[in-house]
Amino acid sequence: DQQVKQNSPSLSVQEGRISILNCDYTNSMFDYFLWYKKYPAEGPTFLISISSIKDKNEDGRFTVFLNKSAKHLSLHIVPSQPGDSAVYFCAAPHQAGTALIFGKGTTLSVSS
Amino acid sequence: EADIYQTPRYLVIGTGKKITLECSQTMGHDKMYWYQQDPGMELHLIHYSYGVNSTEKGDLSSESTVSRIRTEHFPLTLESARPSHTSQYLCASLSGQGYTFGSGTRLTVV
Repeated sequence: DQQVKQNSPSLSVQEGRISILNCDYTNSMFDYFLWYKKYPAEGPTFLISISSIKDKNEDGRFTVFLNKSAKHLSLHIVPSQPGDSAVYFCAAPHQAGTALIFGKGTTLSVSS
Repeated sequence: EADIYQTPRYLVIGTGKKITLECSQTMGHDKMYWYQQDPGMELHLIHYSYGVNSTEKGDLSSESTVSRIRTEHFPLTLESARPSHTSQYLCASLSGQGYTFGSGTRLTVV
C-alpha cells in the first residue's frame, strides 16, 4: 500500500505560467516532507522541504504548501521555465533519520 | 559537485555475470541507502546501513547484497545478473543537512 501518492503522472504547462504538482500521503505520523527533481540519467536533487509545524515554505520560485488535515501537499513553481522540465518526486521519511518513502513522481513539461 | 560518487554510470552486461556497483562518499556519513527505480515508478529502498558492519534489507525484496566495511564505501553486488535486474540504482547518504543522492547507475542486463 503506497504511503505517498502522486496521482498525476504528467503535467504540461507553458513557460511563465504556474505549475502545481500534488502529493497525498496516508500515514498521519509523517512530519517532514521533501520534493526532489530528477532527470532520467541522474540522481534526485533536493528542491524544497516542509515540516509539519508549518503550512507553507517558500524558496525563490518554489513554494510548498501542506494541508495536514487533508494529508495533502503541493509544490508550486512560479513562473515555470523550460529548464524545470523533469520528474518531480514527493517523499517523506517514515521516521526521523530513516530512509525516504517516495511517490511515483510527476513528469513536468514546460513548453516555451 | 557531487558528494556521493557512483560508478559506473552506465553498465550493459550479460546474463549470469557477477557485478558490483560502487558507491562512495567522503563526508563521513554513517547512514547510507540503496534505491532501485524504474521509469514511471517510485524509488524503492532495497538496502540501508547505519554504519560500519551494519546492513539491512529494505522494503523491496532484492537479490542483491551489500557490505559496509568502511564508512565511506557502500558497494552493491549482484552475484548472477538477470534481465529482471535491469533498472536504475541510486545510492544516498543522510546527514544533518539532509539526504544526498549520487548520479545513479543505469544497469542493463541482456
